[in-house]
Amino acid sequence: GQNIDQPTEMTATEGAIVQINCTYQTSGFNGLFWYQQHAGEAPTFLSYNVLDGLEEKGRFSSFLSRSKGYSYLLLKELQMKDSASYLCAVVDSNYQLIWGAGTKLIIKP
Amino acid sequence: GAVVSQHPSWVICKSGTSVKIECRSLDFQATTMFWYRQFPKQSLMLMATSNEGSKATYEQGVEKDKFLINHASLTLSTLTVTSAHPEDSSFYICSARGRGGSELNTEAFFGQGTRLTVV
Repeated sequence: GQNIDQPTEMTATEGAIVQINCTYQTSGFNGLFWYQQHAGEAPTFLSYNVLDGLEEKGRFSSFLSRSKGYSYLLLKELQMKDSASYLCAVVDSNYQLIWGAGTKLIIKP
Repeated sequence: GAVVSQHPSWVICKSGTSVKIECRSLDFQATTMFWYRQFPKQSLMLMATSNEGSKATYEQGVEKDKFLINHASLTLSTLTVTSAHPEDSSFYICSARGRGGSELNTEAFFGQGTRLTVV
């Protein structure tokens, strides 16, 4: 079967750095997305990785290792507004999105 | 990024009535649209996938006669919840994928979501 694993919840301090991991086992791989979702709102796009390595976008970076079936989202200089759920999703061989359950990130002052 | 508009943002309806939710791609042609349902504190659950001009493909366990999906044009898809019941109360989200550059082919753009409450 297809499976995406990410931690259920993480807590971090304002101004710090946090890394949210995602491991996947899917039928084929055509890229991995990270989305941010605030409570009661639709997800918003953060990053897309299809090749191995690190992609940096401002305070957010995303890393992918296809051989290990592993990705992480790195958030630097955390702000209170970063409190949200972070969803990992993999595009499988049929170009369908397979979603993780999301990681709820709690930022404390 | 591309824009997907979903309407209405929230709706309250009586049990037994039907509700239609619209999803529009505003600045690109959406060759594929996805409809998701999300219950509180849970991840997105794909309900169905629709390609323009063809019948939607429903996920296992989703009643196609209850959740009617129409994707008549490259910019509009609708989801109609027929004979809604309180257990259908949920957050419904559409997303769209289009043709064009690599970003459009792979990235799914989301509507704002619709909070449905059936009383």
